[in-house]
Amino acid sequence: DSGVTQTPKHLITATGQRVTLRCSPRSGDLSVYWYQQSLDQGLQFLIQYYNGEERAKGNILERFSAQQFPDLHSELNLSSLELGDSALYFCASSVGTGTTNEKLFFGSGTQLSVL
Amino acid sequence: AQSVTQLGSHVSVSEGALVLLRCNYSSSVPPYLFWYVQYPNQGLQLLLKYTTGATLVKGINGFEAEFKKSETSFHLTKPSAHMSDAAEYFCAVRGSARQLTFGSGTQLTVLP
Repeated sequence: DSGVTQTPKHLITATGQRVTLRCSPRSGDLSVYWYQQSLDQGLQFLIQYYNGEERAKGNILERFSAQQFPDLHSELNLSSLELGDSALYFCASSVGTGTTNEKLFFGSGTQLSVL
Repeated sequence: AQSVTQLGSHVSVSEGALVLLRCNYSSSVPPYLFWYVQYPNQGLQLLLKYTTGATLVKGINGFEAEFKKSETSFHLTKPSAHMSDAAEYFCAVRGSARQLTFGSGTQLTVLP
């Protein structure tokens, strides 16, 4: 158990809908990262938050947004869903800002299926 | 820019045989390199990492990897495969970009 909690584990929805994925980092970790894992794109970095502020941005679509709350949990919002958004979404956390040798701890992921 | 290439999306070995998973990287600055393992229905778990210093890095579960700058490689090895090693393995690099860039993964199958 990594200590990172993601809910829900599975989510099935329809095209055009909006969903929210939730992540609780390990106790004491200030950074939260979101990754998307799909068959064709592999594991892609989406976005990082550190202590409530956006720290780094990767291949995140404009239809997607995220935030980190004062209690350090994070939510990833996916809107106007398309079939291609079906993927496993991982959250990870780390203690600091994500320096070069910092260890990331991953949650078990949320499997999103868009029908 | 930074990138990772994992050679072989699927690797099969017999139990007790050598495991070799290949990873080549590209980075404009000295890289930090990582191997992660993903067991079915679980998140990624760090196996080992190279930052600076000794180029042969030992990780958990008997795995090790060697950083070879001249070959821009960071191959993962284990002398003797065990059935419990069956999983997907990801090589990752953190270079000039702050975030980790992952390879496409290698699915390891261990045959009895």
